[in-house]
Amino acid sequence: DTGVSQDPRHKITKRGQNVTFRCDPISEHNRLYWYRQTLGQGPEFLTYFQNEAQLEKSRLLSDRFSAERPKGSFSTLEIQRTEQGDSAMYLCASRAPGTGISEQFFGPGTRLTVL
Amino acid sequence: GENVEQHPSTLSVQEGDSAVIKCTYSDSASNYFPWYKQELGKRPQLIIDIRSNVGEKKDQRIAVTLNKTAKHFSLHITETQPEDSAVYFCAAISGTYKYIFGTGTRLKVLA
Repeated sequence: DTGVSQDPRHKITKRGQNVTFRCDPISEHNRLYWYRQTLGQGPEFLTYFQNEAQLEKSRLLSDRFSAERPKGSFSTLEIQRTEQGDSAMYLCASRAPGTGISEQFFGPGTRLTVL
Repeated sequence: GENVEQHPSTLSVQEGDSAVIKCTYSDSASNYFPWYKQELGKRPQLIIDIRSNVGEKKDQRIAVTLNKTAKHFSLHITETQPEDSAVYFCAAISGTYKYIFGTGTRLKVLA
């Protein structure tokens, strides 16, 4: 499968624990996005990377959320001290490089349940 | 802040009928408007998109119209089939990363 992949697909954790999710974009895509999607809502933009640079992070939901993309390939999203309100689907998406508008491809998501 | 309003939230149509979903955006800098289909438990997938310099685009049974003056854009599905049943999201994009999604429309096509 040459699409966007995410790991794990499901994560159940207890309140207060830290969790980390991984996203592997399509190999030639230099643009990477993280979203949160709650039930019945559209994806909510969290952060954006172009290569290894995090160009937008003001939409991260709190200082408990952080993301990295150290080598410009895969990315990780970490949530510290999880709360029940963090339960959601976390989606990653990638786009090809270039100055024009191009399609954004989504991964299958990581479903987080905080007990 | 910027937002995208999407209506209706649910839509039921008889197989073979047409379905129309409407979105309104607030950011006048938006220049790209994709539509995504998301089946239960699956990732959103692009079904059609339109750029701000185009008023209408069609791909077989699916069409999208854009009215930049009114900041409206709509998805039209003709001759609906049961496999069209899903949640549909519109989005308005400005720049490289300013993706604002609508709240989704659950379409149910009744056989």
